[in-house]
Amino acid sequence: DAGITQSPRHKVTETGTPVTLRCHQTENHRYMYWYRQDPGHGLRLIHYSYGVKDTDKGEVSDGYSVSRSKTEDFLLTLESATSSQTSVYFCAISRDGNSGANVLTFGAGSRLTVL
Amino acid sequence: AQKVTQAQTEISVVEKEDVTLDCVYETRDTTYYLFWYKQPPSGELVFLIRRNSFDEQNEISGRYSWNFQKSTSSFNFTITASQVVDSAVYFCALSANSGNTPLVFGKGTRLSVIA
Repeated sequence: DAGITQSPRHKVTETGTPVTLRCHQTENHRYMYWYRQDPGHGLRLIHYSYGVKDTDKGEVSDGYSVSRSKTEDFLLTLESATSSQTSVYFCAISRDGNSGANVLTFGAGSRLTVL
Repeated sequence: AQKVTQAQTEISVVEKEDVTLDCVYETRDTTYYLFWYKQPPSGELVFLIRRNSFDEQNEISGRYSWNFQKSTSSFNFTITASQVVDSAVYFCALSANSGNTPLVFGKGTRLSVIA
């Protein structure tokens, strides 16, 4: 067990409401990532973090914000959820994110449905 | 820009057949890493293999083998004597070695092995 947990695992919400997904790791890895998985699109990077309070945007960052106030937690927030954000969200951690060699370890995923 | 193309969206084979999953990548970096991940029906993402751009040796692990060819920018994955348990979505991914470079994933190939 890689020591990465996501919460909640399932959430149904309504359009316009704020949603926060949490990723928690016990590995003390520096790098953390949020991806979303959609049919026909594979895995797409939303945001990632390379240290406490150090974050950067990914390919599909619009409509999402992140925060990392401590090493073990990486939060993904949808300020005002839309139906297009219905997806499965995966958090990942990496020990060697500053080189291409990094192997990602993924959480179990959070399924979000926006009605 | 980095890009990974998995042209095969879905493949269906009969148990014990061999099957090859194709992966073509694009990058301007001279040093990079290629990965394969597996996502079984249970939904978790499992790391299978990592290769660096300087190592074109083919890799074999049990029934799995990987063929890396820089000349064609391909990193194909072959399963020999497929089994029902191989049914999953398989993702190819690419990461450059220039710092803070998250993985870019292909859209995945769904493999169904029929008994």
